[in-house]
Amino acid sequence: GDSVTQMEGPVTLSEEACLTINCTYTATGYPSLFWYVQYPGEGLQLLLKATKADDKGSNKGFEATYRKETTSFHLEKGSVQVSDSAVYFCALRKKLGGYNKLIFGAGTRLAVHP
Amino acid sequence: DVKVTQSSRYLVKRTGEKVFLECVQDMDHENMFWYRQDPGLGLRLIYFSYDVKMKEKGDIPEGYSVSREKKERFSLILESASTNQTSMYLCASSLQAENSPLHFGNGTRLTVT
Repeated sequence: GDSVTQMEGPVTLSEEACLTINCTYTATGYPSLFWYVQYPGEGLQLLLKATKADDKGSNKGFEATYRKETTSFHLEKGSVQVSDSAVYFCALRKKLGGYNKLIFGAGTRLAVHP
Repeated sequence: DVKVTQSSRYLVKRTGEKVFLECVQDMDHENMFWYRQDPGLGLRLIYFSYDVKMKEKGDIPEGYSVSREKKERFSLILESASTNQTSMYLCASSLQAENSPLHFGNGTRLTVT
């Protein structure tokens, strides 16, 4: 069946380090792909999205490219800040019958230290 | 900006009580969702609704029901609360299109004692 796999956390980095959080998916058809971020005590917020192959989503210095050949959507940032500490969720959405199916990865916790 | 408002941030209820969690969105979204979030288990879909008065079971509907009488409001009902329903509950809404993101509320942390 369809699934989303993220690298396990926690990921611990020093400020200004480079970040990569891996995300791979299994799905038939052409899903849309998303990254969400959850700050402590809050709900999830959309960080970026890509809706077709080779699309690059970007926001707040984060970016991810929809790679159909490797079924991946890795999240990257060149220089992280303490304020980026949060849990990051990769997700896909695709049409299934009369509605749209949504699948989330398990989430990856990022901790950035000064 | 889309706003999804959950009526309570924190709620404490007793075992056996009937509990109502309310969610309202202000962007005329067709789809609405209820998830619960538990450490180590990620997000699990309880119920969703793709239109007014429509509802579909998600992955873990047991012990829950929902109501969607108006487009903007989606209520989650715990018929008889139990301690294993202590959790963070997240409501979300979206447009119907498959490339539309979900917009989440800030969550309700429910404790059942």
